[in-house]
Amino acid sequence: DGGITQSPKYLFRKEGQNVTLSCEQNLNHDAMYWYRQDPGQGLRLIYYSQIVNDFQKGDIAEGYSVSREKKESFPLTVTSAQKNPTAFYLCASSIPPLRELFFGEGSRLTVL
Amino acid sequence: AQTVTQSQPEMSVQEAETVTLSCTYDTSESDYYLFWYKQPPSRQMILVIRQEAYKQQNATENRFSVNFQKAAKSFSLKISDSQLGDAAMYFCAYRSAILQGAQKLVFGQGTRLTINP
Repeated sequence: DGGITQSPKYLFRKEGQNVTLSCEQNLNHDAMYWYRQDPGQGLRLIYYSQIVNDFQKGDIAEGYSVSREKKESFPLTVTSAQKNPTAFYLCASSIPPLRELFFGEGSRLTVL
Repeated sequence: AQTVTQSQPEMSVQEAETVTLSCTYDTSESDYYLFWYKQPPSRQMILVIRQEAYKQQNATENRFSVNFQKAAKSFSLKISDSQLGDAAMYFCAYRSAILQGAQKLVFGQGTRLTINP
């Protein structure tokens, strides 16, 4: 079955450590996205990529980095520069032009 | 920049009754798309319904329908015959139809819907 796989589902990190969240899709979608979800704030866009080897900053990109070396993969690195990284992270993909976002099941990151 | 506002953090409804979730948005554009997404306890987001701004007819999907008021910039979701499986967070979202801004969704804060048996 086609879909988006995010891993790990739960991740604990010590302060000062970088951590990478994986997102893989087998839907053959060109565009991929990372959103952050916090209680009471909905979903906020971190980064998005419309094509391989290209990506754009979203509304809250500071402290995050991404790469898009393959169409299927869009990993997100949460760096030590991110001041408040504890959150739920959602990866999504779509076919341009965007008529629907397809989401993964999310990854919960907790900083200890 | 476009913004989406959901003024009801929580709503509850009796099973089998009807409930309406509110959403307003701010934009200077005339052509755009609006969405309602559902996030059940499993946390995976699911598209409920989509509305194109150029269409005057309100979208419907089975028990889900919208009331799209373009002049008022309002996009409410009506759920008829509420079922226990409808319990979830509901997010309203906006997408510009302009090419540069077309490739991302802007989400509201969400409304948590509880269904009382």
